[in-house]
Amino acid sequence: DQQVKQNSPSLSVQEGRISILNCDYTNSMFDYFLWYKKYPAEGPTFLISISSIKDKNEDGRFTVFLNKSAKHLSLHIVPSQPGDSAVYFCAASGSNYKLTFGKGTLLTVNP
Amino acid sequence: NAGVTQTPKFRILKIGQSMTLQCTQDMNHNYMYWYRQDPGMGLKLIYYSVGAGITDKGEVPNGYNVSRSTTEDFPLRLELAAPSQTSVYFCASSSGWEQYFGPGTRLTVT
Repeated sequence: DQQVKQNSPSLSVQEGRISILNCDYTNSMFDYFLWYKKYPAEGPTFLISISSIKDKNEDGRFTVFLNKSAKHLSLHIVPSQPGDSAVYFCAASGSNYKLTFGKGTLLTVNP
Repeated sequence: NAGVTQTPKFRILKIGQSMTLQCTQDMNHNYMYWYRQDPGMGLKLIYYSVGAGITDKGEVPNGYNVSRSTTEDFPLRLELAAPSQTSVYFCASSSGWEQYFGPGTRLTVT
């Protein structure tokens, strides 16, 4: 049973536009959420996170929104750049700092 | 700081062989993790450790063993390799929620 779901396997956007990546979770015990970015043949790298006591966190071009009642979070990238093309993983944690990952969304930013 | 290093980068094993995937971190993190990633799937936790001498099973531990004798090292042992263990293996470490990953080991069992 998937506890963290990324329902869009892929997303294509034009350079300069907004990219919105979505993530849903089912476990109400999750209280910390993270986004990771992964290039081919490399390990995932941490991008941005949000605690369940917040509903928004910003870091430069990246903003994560959390809707606890809907068990939904999203990552907004504005403006999107070709170098943002990668697989983005949503992850959630409840205890012991263990992470549960979604299957990932492949973002392609076209010049 | 090298961060998290993994060796080897690639390996081909025959069915029934054994091997150890090495993982070392130089960030003095207490927590270390092993994941596997299959094509089109997210990362699944195999084993984790909250400190030297303490390990515990993750979501998919069968066919694997770990040990943690030092803070820096967290090797993953595959005994009697099976084709189902063909995957990319990632090691990670953390002092909190943000985990830092190594570059991965691509393992093929034929």
